[in-house]
Amino acid sequence: SQQGEEDPQALSIQEGENATMNCSYKTSINNLQWYRQNSGRGLVHLILIRSNEREKHSGRLRVTLDTSKKSSSLLITASRAADTASYFCATTYNYGQNFVFGPGTRLSVLP
Amino acid sequence: AAGVIQSPRHLIKEKRETATLKCYPIPRHDTVYWYQQGPGQDPQFLISFYEKMQSDKGSIPDRFSAQQFSDYHSELNMSSLELGDSALYFCASSFLARRYEQYFGPGTRLTVT
Repeated sequence: SQQGEEDPQALSIQEGENATMNCSYKTSINNLQWYRQNSGRGLVHLILIRSNEREKHSGRLRVTLDTSKKSSSLLITASRAADTASYFCATTYNYGQNFVFGPGTRLSVLP
Repeated sequence: AAGVIQSPRHLIKEKRETATLKCYPIPRHDTVYWYQQGPGQDPQFLISFYEKMQSDKGSIPDRFSAQQFSDYHSELNMSSLELGDSALYFCASSFLARRYEQYFGPGTRLTVT
């Protein structure tokens, strides 16, 4: 399977702390994206990092990509209760059209 | 900005019934994708269309079919529904040339009882 895998699968932190989620994949990718999903709701695009990029920032989000380790991490700094959601990484392979999603990390930010 | 529209947002059907889900892509997007997300699972790719032709196929059951119409909207038809079909069904759209930038709709929650 080329599916990405996230760890941890569940993460619980206090408000104000940083949250780090990791995603691994198995073959060469074209790009990797992170999505957020509130419970049972739609997927919200957070950030895209291309295979030739190593780090990208967007507000409180920081994404890194290590193609040698076939892994990516999503860091949310100064977390808020509103960040509570599931976070998925999604990749495309061989310039294919469909996304392959990882299993997701359920983040709980406690006030 | 216009987003992907899906209808209905919620659907309840009984076993062995049929269901039709609709997706209206972002204007001028030429490619539509369907994903299925079971409870507590990650989204799984079902099928995609480009310019009304099927362009890629994933783990779509034979009981399901889909098509894209001349106005680029797409419909996912599901027959002989099973309890395991209960899931959130997402549609996404993009330009084929920028297929990595897929924009997801809010999803249709299908419950099969």
